[in-house]
Amino acid sequence: ELKVEQNPLFLSMQEGKNYTIYCNYSTTSDRLYWYRQDPGKSLESLFVLLSNGAVKQEGRLMASLDTKARLSTLHITAAVHDLSATYFCAVSHYQGAQKLVFGQGTRLTINP
Amino acid sequence: NAGVTQTPKFRVLKTGQSMTLLCAQDMNHEYMYWYRQDPGMGLRLIHYSVGEGTTAKGEVPDGYNVSRLKKQNFLLGLESAAPSQTSVYFCASSYPNNREELDEQFFGPGTRLTVL
Repeated sequence: ELKVEQNPLFLSMQEGKNYTIYCNYSTTSDRLYWYRQDPGKSLESLFVLLSNGAVKQEGRLMASLDTKARLSTLHITAAVHDLSATYFCAVSHYQGAQKLVFGQGTRLTINP
Repeated sequence: NAGVTQTPKFRVLKTGQSMTLLCAQDMNHEYMYWYRQDPGMGLRLIHYSVGEGTTAKGEVPDGYNVSRLKKQNFLLGLESAAPSQTSVYFCASSYPNNREELDEQFFGPGTRLTVL
């Protein structure tokens, strides 16, 4: 059974600081997704990571994937208040259809 | 394109009542999914469909039924609502393909359901 764990679950940080959210998963997968969710809203796709060593960057966010370690990271550089949200990683596995198994989410609060 | 839409946005039920949640997509996607989101647990897959007329169970299917009579619609039914089904329900759709931009799941806005 595929399990996905994120840490930390809660993160409060100051603007301008750097930090990393970790996503570990238990079985082999060929793709991993990062989503952002604002309070009361739906999920917004941030990154799709398809292969070992994949790195993608968008603004102050950078995601990477190490399939051998079964680990993905979401790195935040010089955080700004607008990045406050809950971030989910989701790991794909194919069993009749592409299914996503989500981590618990990391609630990120960035204080001025 | 409206993308993925869900009806209703909010609903309050009493224990034992039944209801149907509607998901519609206008992207001609083959695959559709129903998830529930509970605090601290991320999203969990309830049921999914790989095409018109097909449905399959996900991780937490008990207490729910689904139907996919038309390609663009995926209905989630609660036969006899229980307080444990209080949650936010999200529908998603995708088109099966190995190219990343076509394999992504697109999510609807969610339905917040409270069962008293």
